[in-house]
Amino acid sequence: EDQVTQSPEALRLQEGESSSLNCSYTVSGLRGLFWYRQDPGKGPEFLFTLYSAGEEKEKERLKATLTKKESFLHITAPKPEDSATYLCAVQPGSQGNLIFGKGTKLSVKP
Amino acid sequence: DTGVSQNPRHKITKRGQNVTFRCDPISEHNRLYWYRQTLGQGPEFLTYFQNEAQLEKSRLLSDRFSAERPKGSFSTLEIQRTEQGDSAMYLCASSSTRSGTGGHEQYFGPGTRLTVT
Repeated sequence: EDQVTQSPEALRLQEGESSSLNCSYTVSGLRGLFWYRQDPGKGPEFLFTLYSAGEEKEKERLKATLTKKESFLHITAPKPEDSATYLCAVQPGSQGNLIFGKGTKLSVKP
Repeated sequence: DTGVSQNPRHKITKRGQNVTFRCDPISEHNRLYWYRQTLGQGPEFLTYFQNEAQLEKSRLLSDRFSAERPKGSFSTLEIQRTEQGDSAMYLCASSSTRSGTGGHEQYFGPGTRLTVT
Protein backbone atom coordinates (compact mmCIF):
# COMPACT_ATOMS: atom_id res chain seq x y z
CA GLU A 1 0.00 0.00 0.00
CA ASP A 2 1.27 3.46 -0.90
CA GLN A 3 2.02 5.42 2.27
CA VAL A 4 3.67 8.63 3.50
CA THR A 5 4.86 9.21 7.07
CA GLN A 6 6.15 12.56 8.28
CA SER A 7 8.15 13.28 11.40
CA PRO A 8 8.16 14.98 13.76
CA GLU A 9 4.48 15.87 14.05
CA ALA A 10 5.45 19.25 15.54
CA LEU A 11 8.71 21.15 15.75
CA ARG A 12 9.51 24.27 17.73
CA LEU A 13 12.60 26.24 16.79
CA GLN A 14 14.20 29.47 17.86
CA GLU A 15 14.79 31.98 15.09
CA GLY A 16 18.06 31.06 13.39
CA GLU A 17 18.07 27.45 14.67
CA SER A 18 18.41 25.18 11.61
CA SER A 19 16.70 21.78 11.47
CA SER A 20 15.25 19.12 9.15
CA LEU A 21 11.82 17.59 8.56
CA ASN A 22 11.54 13.97 7.46
CA CYS A 23 9.20 12.31 4.97
CA SER A 24 9.37 8.51 4.64
CA TYR A 25 7.43 6.87 1.85
CA THR A 26 6.53 3.55 0.27
CA VAL A 27 5.09 3.79 -3.20
CA SER A 28 4.73 1.67 -6.30
CA GLY A 29 6.67 3.48 -8.98
CA LEU A 30 7.37 7.02 -7.80
CA ARG A 31 6.38 9.61 -10.39
CA GLY A 32 7.22 12.53 -8.13
CA LEU A 33 7.57 13.66 -4.51
CA PHE A 34 6.12 17.03 -3.59
CA TRP A 35 6.53 19.45 -0.70
CA TYR A 36 3.84 21.95 0.19
CA ARG A 37 3.48 24.65 2.82
CA GLN A 38 0.07 25.20 4.42
CA ASP A 39 -0.93 28.16 6.58
CA PRO A 40 -3.96 27.85 8.90
CA GLY A 41 -7.27 28.02 7.04
CA LYS A 42 -5.62 28.11 3.61
CA GLY A 43 -4.93 25.67 0.81
CA PRO A 44 -1.49 24.06 0.42
CA GLU A 45 1.11 26.16 -1.41
CA PHE A 46 3.45 24.29 -3.76
CA LEU A 47 7.15 24.40 -2.87
CA PHE A 48 9.15 21.65 -4.65
CA THR A 49 8.96 18.58 -6.87
CA LEU A 50 11.66 15.89 -6.69
CA TYR A 51 11.77 13.08 -9.24
CA SER A 52 14.73 10.82 -8.54
CA ALA A 53 17.09 9.79 -5.74
CA GLY A 54 19.94 12.23 -5.28
CA GLU A 55 17.99 15.22 -6.52
CA GLU A 56 18.06 18.45 -4.49
CA LYS A 57 16.14 21.71 -4.82
CA GLU A 58 16.44 25.00 -2.95
CA LYS A 59 14.28 28.03 -2.36
CA GLU A 60 15.37 30.77 0.01
CA ARG A 61 15.93 29.09 3.41
CA LEU A 62 14.49 25.73 2.29
CA LYS A 63 16.30 22.80 0.70
CA ALA A 64 14.63 19.52 -0.24
CA THR A 65 16.50 16.26 -0.84
CA LEU A 66 15.39 12.81 -1.98
CA THR A 67 16.58 9.23 -1.45
CA LYS A 68 14.89 5.99 -2.48
CA LYS A 69 12.98 5.79 0.79
CA GLU A 70 12.75 9.29 2.21
CA SER A 71 12.94 13.00 1.65
CA PHE A 72 14.20 15.75 3.90
CA LEU A 73 13.22 19.39 4.04
CA HIS A 74 16.11 21.32 5.54
CA ILE A 75 15.39 24.75 7.00
CA THR A 76 18.41 27.00 7.42
CA ALA A 77 18.28 29.94 9.84
CA PRO A 78 14.47 29.98 9.98
CA LYS A 79 12.44 33.10 10.61
CA PRO A 80 9.05 33.43 12.34
CA GLU A 81 7.36 33.78 8.94
CA ASP A 82 8.46 30.21 8.15
CA SER A 83 5.96 28.99 10.76
CA ALA A 84 3.42 26.74 8.98
CA THR A 85 2.53 23.11 8.41
CA TYR A 86 4.77 21.43 5.84
CA LEU A 87 3.16 18.62 3.86
CA CYS A 88 4.90 15.89 1.88
CA ALA A 89 3.08 14.00 -0.89
CA VAL A 90 3.92 11.30 -3.42
CA GLN A 91 2.42 10.60 -6.81
CA PRO A 92 2.40 6.86 -7.62
CA GLY A 93 3.36 5.96 -11.15
CA SER A 94 -0.03 4.53 -12.04
CA GLN A 95 -2.19 7.29 -10.59
CA GLY A 96 -2.90 10.97 -11.04
CA ASN A 97 -3.66 11.80 -7.43
CA LEU A 98 -1.28 12.67 -4.60
CA ILE A 99 -0.95 10.74 -1.36
CA PHE A 100 -0.19 13.08 1.53
CA GLY A 101 1.40 12.66 4.92
CA LYS A 102 -0.14 14.27 7.98
CA GLY A 103 2.36 17.11 7.93
CA THR A 104 4.86 18.67 10.32
CA LYS A 105 3.71 21.77 12.16
CA LEU A 106 6.67 24.13 12.44
CA SER A 107 6.74 27.02 14.92
CA VAL A 108 9.63 29.49 14.84
CA LYS A 109 9.91 31.78 17.85
CA PRO A 110 11.69 35.15 17.62
CA ASP B 1 -5.18 36.57 -10.28
CA THR B 2 -4.89 33.36 -12.30
CA GLY B 3 -4.84 30.89 -9.41
CA VAL B 4 -7.41 28.27 -8.48
CA SER B 5 -10.59 29.75 -7.01
CA GLN B 6 -13.27 28.07 -4.92
CA ASN B 7 -16.73 29.16 -3.86
CA PRO B 8 -18.14 29.47 -1.35
CA ARG B 9 -15.26 29.81 1.12
CA HIS B 10 -17.45 28.76 4.04
CA LYS B 11 -20.69 26.78 4.19
CA ILE B 12 -22.76 25.92 7.25
CA THR B 13 -25.60 23.49 6.66
CA LYS B 14 -27.93 21.30 8.63
CA ARG B 15 -27.64 17.53 8.58
CA GLY B 16 -29.62 16.05 5.73
CA GLN B 17 -29.33 19.08 3.42
CA ASN B 18 -27.58 19.03 0.06
CA VAL B 19 -24.61 21.30 -0.67
CA THR B 20 -22.70 22.16 -3.84
CA PHE B 21 -19.22 23.62 -4.16
CA ARG B 22 -17.60 25.16 -7.21
CA CYS B 23 -13.98 25.16 -8.36
CA ASP B 24 -12.44 27.23 -11.16
CA PRO B 25 -8.98 25.87 -12.09
CA ILE B 26 -6.01 27.68 -13.57
CA SER B 27 -7.18 28.37 -17.12
CA GLU B 28 -4.65 26.32 -19.10
CA HIS B 29 -4.76 23.29 -16.77
CA ASN B 30 -6.48 20.18 -18.10
CA ARG B 31 -6.60 18.20 -14.84
CA LEU B 32 -8.76 19.05 -11.84
CA TYR B 33 -8.71 17.28 -8.47
CA TRP B 34 -10.89 17.25 -5.36
CA TYR B 35 -9.48 16.50 -1.91
CA ARG B 36 -10.90 16.55 1.60
CA GLN B 37 -8.92 17.61 4.66
CA THR B 38 -9.85 17.27 8.32
CA LEU B 39 -8.05 18.85 11.27
CA GLY B 40 -4.56 17.49 11.82
CA GLN B 41 -4.60 15.38 8.66
CA GLY B 42 -3.18 15.77 5.20
CA PRO B 43 -5.51 16.16 2.22
CA GLU B 44 -7.24 12.93 1.13
CA PHE B 45 -7.96 12.33 -2.53
CA LEU B 46 -11.60 12.16 -3.63
CA THR B 47 -11.67 12.29 -7.44
CA TYR B 48 -10.06 13.85 -10.49
CA PHE B 49 -10.88 14.85 -14.06
CA GLN B 50 -8.86 15.14 -17.20
CA ASN B 51 -10.74 17.64 -19.31
CA GLU B 52 -14.39 16.58 -18.85
CA ALA B 53 -13.69 12.89 -18.15
CA GLN B 54 -13.74 11.68 -14.54
CA LEU B 55 -10.75 9.33 -14.47
CA GLU B 56 -10.55 8.13 -10.89
CA LYS B 57 -12.67 8.03 -7.76
CA SER B 58 -11.55 7.23 -4.24
CA ARG B 59 -13.39 4.73 -2.04
CA LEU B 60 -13.96 7.76 0.21
CA LEU B 61 -16.37 9.07 -2.41
CA SER B 62 -19.61 7.46 -1.26
CA ASP B 63 -22.76 7.48 -3.39
CA ARG B 64 -23.81 10.69 -1.64
CA PHE B 65 -20.96 12.52 -3.39
CA SER B 66 -20.99 13.45 -7.05
CA ALA B 67 -18.63 15.61 -9.09
CA GLU B 68 -18.91 17.04 -12.57
CA ARG B 69 -16.78 19.01 -14.99
CA PRO B 70 -19.22 19.45 -17.86
CA LYS B 71 -17.14 21.48 -20.31
CA GLY B 72 -13.70 20.70 -19.06
CA SER B 73 -13.44 24.04 -17.29
CA PHE B 74 -14.98 24.58 -13.84
CA SER B 75 -16.10 21.70 -11.64
CA THR B 76 -18.78 21.18 -9.02
CA LEU B 77 -18.81 18.80 -6.06
CA GLU B 78 -22.20 17.97 -4.59
CA ILE B 79 -22.85 16.24 -1.29
CA GLN B 80 -26.37 14.92 -0.79
CA ARG B 81 -27.96 14.24 2.61
CA THR B 82 -25.03 15.70 4.51
CA GLU B 83 -23.83 14.05 7.70
CA GLN B 84 -21.78 15.53 10.56
CA GLY B 85 -18.85 13.41 9.42
CA ASP B 86 -18.79 15.40 6.18
CA SER B 87 -17.55 18.47 8.06
CA ALA B 88 -14.12 19.22 6.58
CA MET B 89 -12.18 21.51 4.28
CA TYR B 90 -12.83 20.62 0.64
CA LEU B 91 -9.86 21.47 -1.53
CA CYS B 92 -9.65 21.74 -5.29
CA ALA B 93 -6.40 21.58 -7.23
CA SER B 94 -5.42 21.72 -10.89
CA SER B 95 -2.46 20.65 -12.97
CA SER B 96 -1.30 20.40 -16.55
CA THR B 97 -0.16 17.18 -18.20
CA ARG B 98 1.42 19.17 -21.00
CA SER B 99 4.52 20.21 -19.07
CA GLY B 100 6.47 17.17 -20.22
CA THR B 101 7.77 16.39 -16.73
CA GLY B 102 7.22 13.11 -14.93
CA GLY B 103 5.20 14.40 -12.02
CA HIS B 104 2.62 17.10 -12.40
CA GLU B 105 2.58 19.82 -9.79
CA GLN B 106 -0.87 20.38 -8.40
CA TYR B 107 -1.85 23.93 -7.43
CA PHE B 108 -4.47 24.24 -4.75
CA GLY B 109 -7.27 26.68 -4.18
CA PRO B 110 -8.14 28.24 -0.81
CA GLY B 111 -10.70 25.55 0.00
CA THR B 112 -14.33 25.49 1.10
CA ARG B 113 -14.87 24.95 4.82
CA LEU B 114 -18.04 22.86 5.37
CA THR B 115 -19.68 22.65 8.77
CA VAL B 116 -22.62 20.28 9.18
CA THR B 117 -24.70 20.96 12.31
